[in-house]
Amino acid sequence: QVQLVESGGGVVQPGRSLRLSCAASGFTVSAYALHWVRQPAGKGLEWAAVIWYDGTKGYYADSVKGRFTVSRDTSTNTLSLEMNSLTAEDTAIYYCARSPPTDWYLDLWGRGTLVTVSS
Amino acid sequence: EIVLTQSPATLSLSPGERATLSCKTSQSISRYLAWYQQKPGQAPRLLIYDASNRATGIPARFSGSGSGTDFTLTISSLEPEDFAVYYCQQRQSWPPLTFGGGTRVEIK
Repeated sequence: QVQLVESGGGVVQPGRSLRLSCAASGFTVSAYALHWVRQPAGKGLEWAAVIWYDGTKGYYADSVKGRFTVSRDTSTNTLSLEMNSLTAEDTAIYYCARSPPTDWYLDLWGRGTLVTVSS
Repeated sequence: EIVLTQSPATLSLSPGERATLSCKTSQSISRYLAWYQQKPGQAPRLLIYDASNRATGIPARFSGSGSGTDFTLTISSLEPEDFAVYYCQQRQSWPPLTFGGGTRVEIK
């Protein structure tokens, strides 16, 4: 079954860190670009980060640049997002999604994991 | 950064009616536009890519058109399961990928 399943969300205090994971099944992560997209409650979609299909490059939205790091592990077919210096503005559902290597349309999404930054 | 503006914010229609959703971009993106559908509590689903190509498994009542800065998603005859929020997204210029603010299609 082709799917993405996120984990690692939860409640975290401002300034702390959190690591999200996304397990891919039914396809190999090295054949796709892998993205993180977030959505605050009741709001629209915001693209956050991508890792290149060959794992050589990562790109970030300005809002997370310098604080978030995207990585992948081909041995476990897993995508990760390390989030540091979290603020209330980072509170959202975080989705992982895949796209063809150079055509960045998101053709498969996970169900999302909720991150709440609160004291 | 390319800004996408969707209109209207909310569309109130009855099942069987035709829905026409607009997405305008702040600069030309050729045909590099996608449309997604999102139902409450669910992840978005890709409907249309490259302005007019239906994704796998998407019914023929969904169609996309446009190029440059003006794009349209049309649902020819609304089914009960089509009431949802729709987002457009550009891939012409990245990073970042950018999305429109969404159009909610609600039952009248």
